[in-house]
Amino acid sequence: DQQVKQNSPSLSVQEGRISILNCDYTNSMFDYFLWYKKYPAEGPTFLISISSIKDKNEDGRFTVFLNKSAKHLSLHIVPSQPGDSAVYFCAASGGNQGGKLIFGQGTELSVKP
Amino acid sequence: ETGVTQSPTHLIKTRGQQVTLRCSSQSGHNTVSWYQQALGQGPQFIFQYYREEENGRGNFPPRFSGLQFPNYSSELNVNALELDDSALYLCASSMDRMGAKNIQYFGAGTRLSVL
Repeated sequence: DQQVKQNSPSLSVQEGRISILNCDYTNSMFDYFLWYKKYPAEGPTFLISISSIKDKNEDGRFTVFLNKSAKHLSLHIVPSQPGDSAVYFCAASGGNQGGKLIFGQGTELSVKP
Repeated sequence: ETGVTQSPTHLIKTRGQQVTLRCSSQSGHNTVSWYQQALGQGPQFIFQYYREEENGRGNFPPRFSGLQFPNYSSELNVNALELDDSALYLCASSMDRMGAKNIQYFGAGTRLSVL
């Protein structure tokens, strides 16, 4: 039972344009959501998070949107840069899942110069 | 720089052997979590330790066990290795277990190959 899903395995975007990465979840008890970025041969790096009591959180070029009624969150990167090319994971925690993070399968973002 | 370090970087074992993976958490973080990441998948939660006590366990058999020590170090032990145990093992530390304090910072991982 996949509680967190990223349905797009890959995304290709032109440098300077917006990248939108999507994530869906099924457990309405989740109360915290996170995005991680992963380069090859490195561990996931924390990017940005959002509490379930908010619908938007912004940090520089990165914005996360949460739509609780649709059980959907998205990560917007504006403007996209070639260095953003990596695998992006969304993760959820809280509710009856305790302190564990439940990850999606990841979306590989490629930003072309 | 997350401050979380793992050793070794790579490891090759044969089926049936036992392995110990080590992690040094970020200073001040009293919670450590371990994940297994198979190729092309997201990390899967193995277990979490909070102040040296197990605080939750994922869908992994008892041959996966762990320890957390007072000096911010921890271990993942796997007995009776199987071929399917081949994966990247990730350690992550956080200040606490819930909400914003549960933002987990990952090490670079240990790549385990079981032959």
